[in-house]
Amino acid sequence: QLQESGPGRVNPSETLAVTCSVSGGSLRSSSYFWSWIRQSPGKGLEWIGNVYYNGRTDYNASLQSRATISLDTSKNEFSLSLTSVTVADTAVYFCARTIDAYVMVPLDIWGQGTLVTVS
Amino acid sequence: DIQLTQSPSSLSASLGARVTITCRASQDISTYLAWYQHKPGKVPKILIYTASTRQSGVPSRFSGGGFGTDFTLTINSLQPEDVATYYCLKYDGVPRTFGQGTKVEIK
Repeated sequence: QLQESGPGRVNPSETLAVTCSVSGGSLRSSSYFWSWIRQSPGKGLEWIGNVYYNGRTDYNASLQSRATISLDTSKNEFSLSLTSVTVADTAVYFCARTIDAYVMVPLDIWGQGTLVTVS
Repeated sequence: DIQLTQSPSSLSASLGARVTITCRASQDISTYLAWYQHKPGKVPKILIYTASTRQSGVPSRFSGGGFGTDFTLTINSLQPEDVATYYCLKYDGVPRTFGQGTKVEIK
């Protein structure tokens, strides 16, 4: 299971930080990697980035280097930090798992999502 | 970057109807295409991966097809619980990209 936690509201120009707590699976396993996705009000799904068991990351270039995803294997959590936020970053932020095996199964398990409002 | 174009953006069909949603990639993505169902206030749910493999537990009325640049999601015999927005996702590399979504309603 995945469970997001976040601040609820962030001031413009500040940093948004959300965390995904993972239970029932280890972030140290190379069989999975972990993602952040968001959905702004009335809009579609937007991929933010991935983090792998070894700490390697991929990001959506549209976020212009504002995003950082990190692992905390001691807590079995991974986090998203988004700097210099604007109202356009208001969204429900989801974390999700991908099975990275012989056949990849993308985003097979999702957290419930956490709404972050920038105002 | 490879773009995905989903069509239609919305549709309304009768109960029991056959519904087809298309997803077109701007470049060849082989079969690295998945489909998701997203109901309001709920968590997106994976339906199909590798273009045509149904995820465990997904009803057999959902089927996917295609290869390369053109893909389809078909719902045979539309049910009330199928009302949702459906998204395609390409995952052949980064960036991952979702289609714009297709909102499915009952007529």
